[in-house]
Amino acid sequence: NAGVTQTPKFRVLKTGQSMTLLCAQDMNHEYMYWYRQDPGMGLRLIHYSVGEGTTAKGEVPDGYNVSRLKKQNFLLGLESAAPSQTSVYFCASGTGTSVRGTDTQYFGPGTRLTVL
Amino acid sequence: RKEVEQDPGPFNVPEGATVAFNCTYSNSASQSFFWYRQDCRKEPKLLMSVYSSGNEDGRFTAQLNRASQYISLLIRDSKLSDSATYLCVVNRGYSTLTFGKGTMLLVSP
Repeated sequence: NAGVTQTPKFRVLKTGQSMTLLCAQDMNHEYMYWYRQDPGMGLRLIHYSVGEGTTAKGEVPDGYNVSRLKKQNFLLGLESAAPSQTSVYFCASGTGTSVRGTDTQYFGPGTRLTVL
Repeated sequence: RKEVEQDPGPFNVPEGATVAFNCTYSNSASQSFFWYRQDCRKEPKLLMSVYSSGNEDGRFTAQLNRASQYISLLIRDSKLSDSATYLCVVNRGYSTLTFGKGTMLLVSP
């Protein structure tokens, strides 16, 4: 039971290049999330998904696209990377239940992305 | 008012000390509250949920005051291994969470 895994762990891109970050979870969770974490900014939600085939925008969606073709995978794409997208990206998953206190999220180890 | 506000710290305490973290939130409709812990260059991990009646897990006690929209975390008998950043987290609806920027704790021998 690996929990939430992310690929790759590190990546350096040049401005304008594209890439896809992969998140996989083996806990059969319906909900999946992509966050970015920058110094002094805390975690900010980029996009999320409430189930296979669905996606929704979070707080900072511009410059990113996502897809959830399979329940266990959530992909984050950068079509044309910019230096402002240098960050640590975390994926998370959860049951998304409405029962108070049970909507815990479980995080992957993160991807450290640098855009030059 | 920011959605979730925390004192950024750092809090420097000796081993064995008691330390308290405070957090305020702006969305009065929030129903779920959590404390997460994040070690340096690691992912956030759930420390504990926070309930209106207050809850305790070993050396950790969490309190929620809905009227004041205030959450607290108390750590008793601090250990070196408690050194980390503590994130106050509030449900913002649709099973999405809002994270505070975190309070850093440094426990020294």
